[in-house]
Parts: sequence; C-alpha cells; structure tokens
Amino acid sequence: NAGVTQTPKFRVLKTGQSMTLLCAQDMNHEYMYWYRQDPGMGLRLIHYSVGEGTTAKGEVPDGYNVSRLKKQNFLLGLESAAPSQTSVYFCASRKQGRLANSPLHFGNGTRLTVT
Amino acid sequence: DQQVKQNSPSLSVQEGRISILNCDYTNSMFDYFLWYKKYPAEGPTFLISISSIKDKNEDGRFTVFLNKSAKHLSLHIVPSQPGDSAVYFCAASPSSNTGKLIFGQGTTLQVKP
Repeated sequence: NAGVTQTPKFRVLKTGQSMTLLCAQDMNHEYMYWYRQDPGMGLRLIHYSVGEGTTAKGEVPDGYNVSRLKKQNFLLGLESAAPSQTSVYFCASRKQGRLANSPLHFGNGTRLTVT
Repeated sequence: DQQVKQNSPSLSVQEGRISILNCDYTNSMFDYFLWYKKYPAEGPTFLISISSIKDKNEDGRFTVFLNKSAKHLSLHIVPSQPGDSAVYFCAASPSSNTGKLIFGQGTTLQVKP
C-alpha cells in the first residue's frame, strides 16, 4: 500500500525554469492538498482540491498552478521558478468528511532548490 | 501574522519522563486541532486530535489538552521513549470538514536514553 507518492524527491532548478511536481494517492481519497515547508514557518497551504476537476487557492498560491484531472493525481506547477520557491513541498490527501474520521495523509516530500 | 504558534523550537527530555509540547492560537474560530509528528526525510504523520467541544483526548501514551479560554493546547507524552524523537507540529482548522490546516512552526523533541 503506497499511500501518497510524490515525484521527484529532489530537484534543482534555475531561476525562470518551469517544472511540475506530481502527487499520486492510491487510497481513493476525494481531497488533496499541496503544502510547502520553510524553516521556522511550519507548513503552509498552497492549493487544494475537493474533487476531480476542482481546485482552490490556499494561503500562499502565488507563483503556482495546480490541476486535478484524475482523482488519484494532483499536479503542482511552477511556470517561472524563483529563489523564493526554494522549499520542501508536501502533498497530502484525505477522504471526504470530518477531520476526526479522516486526518490528512502526507507524502514524503519533494525538496526543490531554485538557484 | 502567525495564527498558530509553537514558541519552543526544541525540547529535550530523559527517557521515561513526561514530554510537554505547547501550542497557542489566536483565531477563536478554530474548532479542530491536530498534532502531527515528523521524522527527517519523511512526511508528517497524524498523531492525535481534539475537537473544540472537548478539553482532553487520550490515545495510549499521548494526551492532548485544550484550554479554549487561553487559546492554548498541549501534547503530553508519558512515558517518553527515544523513538519519540521527532519534530511535532500543532495544526488548527476553522472547520472540521475542509482539512485546510494552519500549522505551527514545529517543536523538535529529543528523548535521551
């Protein structure tokens, strides 16, 4: 049972380059999330999705785009990477319903460095 | 402005003793709180949660206490074990349904053998 899988695990980009981070979950969860973790700031929500074909902005959406074309996948795109986007990115998923019965399950993260 | 704060970046305790991790929040609309544990190079894993209508929730060695009037929650680990050494994140949600969590900065716990 893989759970939440993030691809790639590491990536180095130059300023202005673009890339897509892939998140895949095999738990048939309706909700999916992208967070970033920076030193001293905890995790901050970038975008989230409550179902296939729907996405919404979180706390820090600027500079990112997302797509949820299939229920099991949630893609995070950086169109023109900036050094401020150097971070560790975590994807999470959970089933629909109350948090008490369905907490978020996280992937192991993608460490992105923008030079 | 940080709505969820963990003011202690690190905590060191002896094996077998109690670990107390603290978390403060500012938004009175938060109605659900969770603790996550994170090991290096792994994603956070869910530990324990509490609804705003309760003041205590226990799960084995882990107990979370909520003081709504003080906007404060704490996680107690008794007895602490070396395997508990990790970063602990407090998180809050304005709704028990959305899963839009606001995280604190994290506290690194070291349990010494």
